[in-house]
Amino acid sequence: AQKITQTQPGMFVQEKEAVTLDCTYDTSDQSYGLFWYKQPSSGEMIFLIYQGSYDEQNATEGRYSLNFQKARKSANLVISASQLGDSAMYFCAMREGNNAGNMLTFGGGTRLMVKP
Amino acid sequence: GAGVSQSPSNKVTEKGKDVELRCDPISGHTALYWYRQSLGQGLEFLIYFQGNSAPDKSGLPSDRFSAERTGGSVSTLTIQRTQQEDSAVYLCASSPIVLPDTQYFGPGTRLTVL
Repeated sequence: AQKITQTQPGMFVQEKEAVTLDCTYDTSDQSYGLFWYKQPSSGEMIFLIYQGSYDEQNATEGRYSLNFQKARKSANLVISASQLGDSAMYFCAMREGNNAGNMLTFGGGTRLMVKP
Repeated sequence: GAGVSQSPSNKVTEKGKDVELRCDPISGHTALYWYRQSLGQGLEFLIYFQGNSAPDKSGLPSDRFSAERTGGSVSTLTIQRTQQEDSAVYLCASSPIVLPDTQYFGPGTRLTVL
């Protein structure tokens, strides 16, 4: 079974509107971390936001927030007030286990296109 | 501060040749990871080093792939007898070993095997 599933291969959003990118995960661990990365056409992987499994509050970083629903095993990324520069691939990833410093498992990504 | 650096940025080689890819992690990060990204795909884990522990090699696709990390810092990924299916972007990342253990990625090496 896929550990990280991103069901939206491509999404369009109008500039200045909010958009939600879906991510569901599968793990039997109680302790894990969830990450979102942005990959523009230049290819660099840019860290956006982190959510720990024991964090009670949803993580927020500027225009990015993570809608963490633990019982549903979902960790959707919400981008508010979309900008043209947000057009990129977005990857959801999970680090399993309690120990910091372990490999990430990535989803297949969602390509977001922001329309002017 | 300086981020993760990788060299070369691009490498074109002929099938059957060996290649070495280099990664310089962020200073102070004790964990170092190699991933591979094929065209239009997500990232695939290859190998992971943490401190002086034995590396986790569980993601290496074949015994043609190996990696080492010298002095707990710089790492080299070696691919022997390259095949066309090895063509991909090879990404290196480093992280601290305290939470949040965010992995910061280098710019990658684009490998093309002709």
